[in-house]
Amino acid sequence: AQTVTQSQPEMSVQEAETVTLSCTYDTSESNYYLFWYKQPPSRQMILVIRQEAYKQQNATENRFSVNFQKAAKSFSLKISDSQLGDTAMYFCAFMSPGGGADGLTFGKGTHLIIQP
Amino acid sequence: DTGVSQNPRHKITKRGQNVTFRCDPISEHNRLYWYRQTLGQGPEFLTYFQNEAQLEKSRLLSDRFSAERPKGSFSTLEIQRTEQGDSAMYLCASRSLGGHMNEQFFGPGTRLTVL
Repeated sequence: AQTVTQSQPEMSVQEAETVTLSCTYDTSESNYYLFWYKQPPSRQMILVIRQEAYKQQNATENRFSVNFQKAAKSFSLKISDSQLGDTAMYFCAFMSPGGGADGLTFGKGTHLIIQP
Repeated sequence: DTGVSQNPRHKITKRGQNVTFRCDPISEHNRLYWYRQTLGQGPEFLTYFQNEAQLEKSRLLSDRFSAERPKGSFSTLEIQRTEQGDSAMYLCASRSLGGHMNEQFFGPGTRLTVL
């Protein structure tokens, strides 16, 4: 079974700063997908960024980018020029497309607070 | 397309009662997922459907839980004889098989409180 670990329960930074959220995972699979989801207070979860394991190039979506280190099983999220609207719970998630298992495995989340 | 919807948004019930939640996925999505999220935790996978077929159930899904997707469109999740430990947010998600990067789209959730 896969596990996802987010070691930072809460982080707080000033607006416009850069912040990095860490995520490690454990799997014996060689092909899989990794995701970062954002869950704002009392709002639904939305996808921030995703990465296919076979792609060496790190994914980037505007102010969001990842540092994917496959050998180290690490998948960190960097948020540049942070904004007040980035305040939310951030979840790292893993999915293996093989076999019958298709659900996402989530970490416990990091509560990110952007201070004005 | 208005996204994934869930009803009710909140449910308060007494221990021992049965409850049923509904999820309406994005219309062209053939895969539908149920997750449970307790306070301070990430969502945990419960089960998923491809069209009307339930393809996988987590060990978290006890015998008191049953899910259906009778016509491959909306889905219901029923909890019988609720217990206080069932209090959680129940999330539904959907995706299109073969969709871009396997992205799952989540609904707003149903928050269950068992008194």
